[in-house]
Amino acid sequence: QQKVQQSPESLIVPEGGMASLNCTSSDRNVDYFWWYRQHSGKSPKMLMSIFSNGEKEEGRFTVHLNKASLHTSLHIRDSQPSDSALYLCAATNNYAQGLTFGLGTRVSVFP
Amino acid sequence: EAAVTQSPRSKVAVTGGKVTLSCHQTNNHDYMYWYRQDTGHGLRLIHYSYVADSTEKGDIPDGYKASRPSQENFSLILELASLSQTAVYFCASSNWGGQNTLYFGAGTRLSVL
Repeated sequence: QQKVQQSPESLIVPEGGMASLNCTSSDRNVDYFWWYRQHSGKSPKMLMSIFSNGEKEEGRFTVHLNKASLHTSLHIRDSQPSDSALYLCAATNNYAQGLTFGLGTRVSVFP
Repeated sequence: EAAVTQSPRSKVAVTGGKVTLSCHQTNNHDYMYWYRQDTGHGLRLIHYSYVADSTEKGDIPDGYKASRPSQENFSLILELASLSQTAVYFCASSNWGGQNTLYFGAGTRLSVL
């Protein structure tokens, strides 16, 4: 069973719309969460990290973290076609030992 | 931006053959990682290293060896390649405590026939 579970598996969003992605860890020792974005045929690149309870905003992207429920969410407002990609959630309690990734949510933004 | 270079970018290998994937970083990062990515399994950690001449097992080390001869270089070795090792392999590095992110190379697409 995946230790990091993401939902939905895929999402279709109209240009200018809002995309909301979810991620939950089943490992209660996890302390740190990241969101990575991977365009087709490319390598993953970090989008945002969140280590404390609450909300963090960077441009059109907002992440939330609830450490009690080990749940994080990513929200993309004013979605653009260039946001079409695989979004990967990652978590760990010891980043030196590497990150555990979920299977991802594939987001498609149509004009 | 941090630079991680993988070679080769793609490779076709025969079952039972030996395959070596190479990774070179110019970021002065201590930590380096090898992941594989498969449909249905996502990104999974194979081996990692936090110092030259030392490697650690990740979540799926069976069938793989790793070598870290210097801070800059980290290799993944498949002694006896199998069909199940067909995947895209990513190398990554980090300095943790700084930007707190993994910087990935462009990946190597390995097909074992």
